[in-house]
Amino acid sequence: NAGVMQNPRHLVRRRGQEARLRCSPMKGHSHVYWYRQLPEEGLKFMVYLQKENIIDESGMPKERFSAEFPKEGPSILRIQQVVRGDSAAYFCASSFRDRLSGANVLTFGAGSRLTVL
Amino acid sequence: DQQVKQNSPSLSVQEGRISILNCDYTNSMFDYFLWYKKYPAEGPTFLISISSIKDKNEDGRFTVFLNKSAKHLSLHIVPSQPGDSAVYFCAASVDYKLSFGAGTTVTVRA
Repeated sequence: NAGVMQNPRHLVRRRGQEARLRCSPMKGHSHVYWYRQLPEEGLKFMVYLQKENIIDESGMPKERFSAEFPKEGPSILRIQQVVRGDSAAYFCASSFRDRLSGANVLTFGAGSRLTVL
Repeated sequence: DQQVKQNSPSLSVQEGRISILNCDYTNSMFDYFLWYKKYPAEGPTFLISISSIKDKNEDGRFTVFLNKSAKHLSLHIVPSQPGDSAVYFCAASVDYKLSFGAGTTVTVRA
């Protein structure tokens, strides 16, 4: 997981507050992916961004969630008016091409665990 | 939509023996399949992948088998070591997007 930096590692919010999660991809990478893991489930795709551009946001909930990756600084996943169902681990990733298989492999950060009280 | 399924939530194996993890999928458009390993409080770590045009890929103690007609893949770890105790996720991709299974928790007993 070295290289993809996420913060905060843990975030506690009360219902109705805002949560901001930050991600810096591996050095030299200009694309990031956000995935969410709900309890007892696998990771689910949320959004794919490159600097100053959203490539695919098909996994983002229609309301309250937004993501950006500005020209300078980290990518931000923003959740407005959080509800208890937003409690999850949020993972950010960079990608590289596996030289053996050719697969587009995601390298994940350690994650940000959001708890909504 | 559960396109990737891992039907065994847990697996216990003795150190030195083989661990076999299974995964089924429904989308015939998947072009690559990947296995990830995850320790508590860490992000998933890539283990091994296989192209949909292959049926086997091996890397050290890890071998992935793909049966396209059955839409099934498996991960073999041999020999199993205590450090292999973790949650293993099967994933499948179409272009850049990965779909993950719910994971199998492997416990390697001494």
